[in-house]
Amino acid sequence: QQQVKQSPQSLIVQKGGISIINCAYENTAFDYFPWYQQFPGKGPALLIAIRPDVSEKKEGRFTISFNKSAKQFSLHIMDSQPGDSATYFCAASKGNMLTFGGGTRLMVKP
Amino acid sequence: GAGVSQSPSNKVTEKGKDVELRCDPISGHTALYWYRQSLGQGLEFLIYFQGNSAPDKSGLPSDRFSAERTGGSVSTLTIQRTQQEDSAVYLCASSVSMADYNEQFFGPGTRLTVL
Repeated sequence: QQQVKQSPQSLIVQKGGISIINCAYENTAFDYFPWYQQFPGKGPALLIAIRPDVSEKKEGRFTISFNKSAKQFSLHIMDSQPGDSATYFCAASKGNMLTFGGGTRLMVKP
Repeated sequence: GAGVSQSPSNKVTEKGKDVELRCDPISGHTALYWYRQSLGQGLEFLIYFQGNSAPDKSGLPSDRFSAERTGGSVSTLTIQRTQQEDSAVYLCASSVSMADYNEQFFGPGTRLTVL
């Protein structure tokens, strides 16, 4: 059973555009929602995270929007750059266990 | 400071052989996780160690897979009688265990190829 569904699987965006990745979860007990960024040949690294008591969190060009009633959250990358090209994973957790989405491969074209 | 390290970075083995993959977590991190990432796929949870507690093995795909963590630090993932479908990148992560926070720090992974 996939508890965190992520879409799209791949995304191509022009430099300067907005990249949007969506995730939906099923378990209402989840209380921490991080996004991880993974470059080829590297392990994933935490990018930004949100808790369900807020609807939005912004760090630089990266924003998480959270809709608790819909059990959905999304990552927005503003002014996307070629250096943002990577695979992005959403995740959800209760306690120490993270459940990951399937990943989105983002390519930002110059 | 030092991050999570894994060895070897690449491992090629023949079907039926046993392999051992090693993970050195960040010093002081009490929680350690193993994941499997197949080509172009997401992260599949395998096993979780928390301090001296019994590990959560709920993600291990078969009894050919096992893991141990010695002295609360280094961990070894063992795959016996490897199969071609075991080919994947095996990622290790560690975290400081806290009740309401969980940033996992990942190692670079071990790419396993079973011929």
